[in-house]
Amino acid sequence: GDSVTQMEGPVTLSEEAFLTINCTYTATGYPSLFWYVQYPGEGLQLLLKATKADDKGSNKGFEATYRKETTSFHLEKGSVQVSDSAVYFCALSERAGGTSYGKLTFGQGTILTVHP
Amino acid sequence: GAVVSQHPSRVICKSGTSVKIECRSLDFQATTMFWYRQFPKQSLMLMATSNEGSKATYEQGVEKDKFLINHASLTLSTLTVTSAHPEDSSFYICSAHEREHSPLHFGNGTRLTVT
Repeated sequence: GDSVTQMEGPVTLSEEAFLTINCTYTATGYPSLFWYVQYPGEGLQLLLKATKADDKGSNKGFEATYRKETTSFHLEKGSVQVSDSAVYFCALSERAGGTSYGKLTFGQGTILTVHP
Repeated sequence: GAVVSQHPSRVICKSGTSVKIECRSLDFQATTMFWYRQFPKQSLMLMATSNEGSKATYEQGVEKDKFLINHASLTLSTLTVTSAHPEDSSFYICSAHEREHSPLHFGNGTRLTVT
């Protein structure tokens, strides 16, 4: 079946440091890929997505590129802020560009803490 | 923006009792809602897809008689954990979207502890 593997956390960085959170996946079809973020005390929010190979999703300074050859979708940000402290989830949906993004397969989540 | 409200945020119950968790879409109608479960330090796992006006679709391995889902209106889905046991203790989270292809909105989750 489908699966998503994220780098284990927690990740602790100083403000303005470079962030990478690795994510790889296995899927039987051609999935859409997502990063969700969960701030303390809140629900998950969609951060960015990509629906086909070589697509780059970006939002709030975060980026991730859909790499089909390496089955990866690593999250990066050039300069993190304290306000980026949250839990980040990589996820995939098998129905690429398709009928529904509701059936998501999630990675285990990576806790990011950014210190001033 | 669209908001999904989940209630309660935390609940503690005794073994053998039932617990109901509500998921409401506050400013949009959702014909489909999704229920996820998250164990500590593990992924969110889809439990079931809740369809307004029809039976829920359960994922493999999820007991439909234990996790009762009712989606009686376009803005409300409920998950009832029946005859709860300590192994049902977990974080339950719902999500919904306004239509297919639109982003999912997640509730804040419910922390269930069964003693």
